[in-house]
Amino acid sequence: AQRVTQPEKLLSVFKGAPVELKCNYSYSGSPELFWYVQYSRQRLQLLLRHISRESIKGFTADLNKGETSFHLKKPFAQEEDSAMYYCALSDTGANSKLTFGKGITLSVRP
Amino acid sequence: GAGVSQSPSNKVTEKGKDVELRCDPISGHTALYWYRQSLGQGLEFLIYFQGNSAPDKSGLPSDRFSAERTGGSVSTLTIQRTQQEDSAVYLCASSANRGRVLHFGNGTRLTVT
Repeated sequence: AQRVTQPEKLLSVFKGAPVELKCNYSYSGSPELFWYVQYSRQRLQLLLRHISRESIKGFTADLNKGETSFHLKKPFAQEEDSAMYYCALSDTGANSKLTFGKGITLSVRP
Repeated sequence: GAGVSQSPSNKVTEKGKDVELRCDPISGHTALYWYRQSLGQGLEFLIYFQGNSAPDKSGLPSDRFSAERTGGSVSTLTIQRTQQEDSAVYLCASSANRGRVLHFGNGTRLTVT
């Protein structure tokens, strides 16, 4: 079964500090990993996906198959990064669905 | 173009009543998903449609929950005999291909009193 674990519920940092949002997954096949973000009073939206290997809004995430992790990182947090972040996993099979973690609230203080 | 649209945005109902939640996906998106978002529980998968068929209904919590999709477009999630534990935000998402990038609606906030 697919499972996504986000071990922390809340991360509070000061502006300019580095950020790492942890995500671990459990899946026996070949997964696709995503990070979705929900800003205050906005809909949930894609932030980045591992196959794109790109940086979005200064965030990066590397898939580590050995550690089954997909941590989200940003070297210098901004106040506008404050939001709810969800890690998600999809298998690459025919009838795939996205399995989400419980999410983490990132609060960036001025 | 328009994004995923859900209605109503808010619904307050009495325990025991039935409710219908509607989702209009992005035009041309073949895959449609329903999720439930509860405080502290994250996003809970309910059901997935490919076209009008539902290959994965594994997340529906009980037989009080059902969903259908017609014309490969609009979907309705029905909750019969609502209970207080059904209170949550119900999110719909659509995708142009299976299990890839999901586009979410704003959700329906259901409150059962």
